[in-house]
Order: sequence, then C-alpha cells, then structure tokens
Amino acid sequence: GAVVSQHPSWVICKSGTSVKIECRSLDFQATTMFWYRQFPKQSLMLMATSNEGSKATYEQGVEKDKFLINHASLTLSTLTVTSAHPEDSSFYICSAPPRTSSGELFFGEGSRLTVL
Amino acid sequence: AQRVTQPEKLLSVFKGAPVELKCNYSYSGSPELFWYVQYSRQRLQLLLRHISRESIKGFTADLNKGETSFHLKKPFAQEEDSAMYYCALRRSGNTPLVFGKGTRLSVIA
Repeated sequence: GAVVSQHPSWVICKSGTSVKIECRSLDFQATTMFWYRQFPKQSLMLMATSNEGSKATYEQGVEKDKFLINHASLTLSTLTVTSAHPEDSSFYICSAPPRTSSGELFFGEGSRLTVL
Repeated sequence: AQRVTQPEKLLSVFKGAPVELKCNYSYSGSPELFWYVQYSRQRLQLLLRHISRESIKGFTADLNKGETSFHLKKPFAQEEDSAMYYCALRRSGNTPLVFGKGTRLSVIA
C-alpha cells in the first residue's frame, strides 16, 4: 500500500490566494521529505528538501517566500504556495527517503494545482 | 553536478517489438540508478534499480559505468507498457533523486 499520501490531489484557486498541500508518511517517520514540481509533459524538478524541526533547503531559483515549506512533525510536511499566480499551476509531488540507505524512495500521488 | 539525460522524448514501437529506452548520466562518484514508470493518471512507481539487478515486467537495465549509461530494455513490448519512463540518479540513500526528462513509450497494436 501507499506509504506517502498527499492532500489535496487536485485544487483550483484564484490568483492571489494561498494554497496548502500536505504530504504525510503513513506508517513511518520521515525526518526529511523532498518536494518536486512537474510541469505538463516535463520531468520532475526538485524544489526543496524539508527537514523536521529546521528550515527547508531550497534549490537554486526556487523562491522561499513563494513556496513555504513546513515540516512540523515526523509524519507531516506541508507546501504552501503563497499569492498564487497562473504560472504556479503545476503538479506538485512529495517523496520520502527510504528507511534504509539502500531502500526505495516513496512518492506521494501528487497534487495538481490550477490557478485561475 | 549530477545530470541524467534521456535523449528521446517519444518512442513508438509495435507490439512484440524490442524496446530500448536510453539513459545516460554524469556524476563523478558512484551513483544509484533507477527507472521509474508513470502510467496515465497514476503516481510514479519504481520499476528497476541497478543494485537489485532484477527484471520487472520483463524490463531489464544494466549499469555501464564505462559508457555512463543505464538503458532500459524489454525484448517484446506489450500495449500495457505504454507510459512515461523516467531515469533517475541518487548520490546516496538520504538524498533526493535527480530525474531525466522522461521518455514516453507508446506501444502500437
């Protein structure tokens, strides 16, 4: 079964509003989670790494104030798209590292954001 | 810097024909290589990883360090293989994956 779950799977919002996407690890604790963004028919681009109890690490070119990441507990990381614009419309996917160094990376089902 | 290159955006083959999805990487260390598949409207699924050297759904991939390649192969394509395939690289267990741009495989009946 799925071990990483995202919510909502699909959201439509108006320009200027903020949207929160949740990523939960279902049966294990994740001190780190990775957030990716996927444009239509394109690859996954790493946006940031969230760290439980400390600040997220953002990739170059990703606006920290635009994409707020909070890793409040060992099972929950959230991505908030602030003051959303149509160009923020995308598929956002979270993933959690494996439980062992040689294990599989688990992916959420993704959240599709459409900004009108 | 790590980089994964999938030169083909789209690959169309007839059912029963062999398939090879190309993947090349650049990384100075010893990376872990993966193939992920994404079926229509579904989440990413792990297909193969080089350290396990297994065959899943008839697919195999061999890591060639000399050519820095990790091509995905299947001798006889099936219609249900139609999907988006991503090659990915990871430095170590707790680091994120770096993805290639993906190849869409279309198997024609």
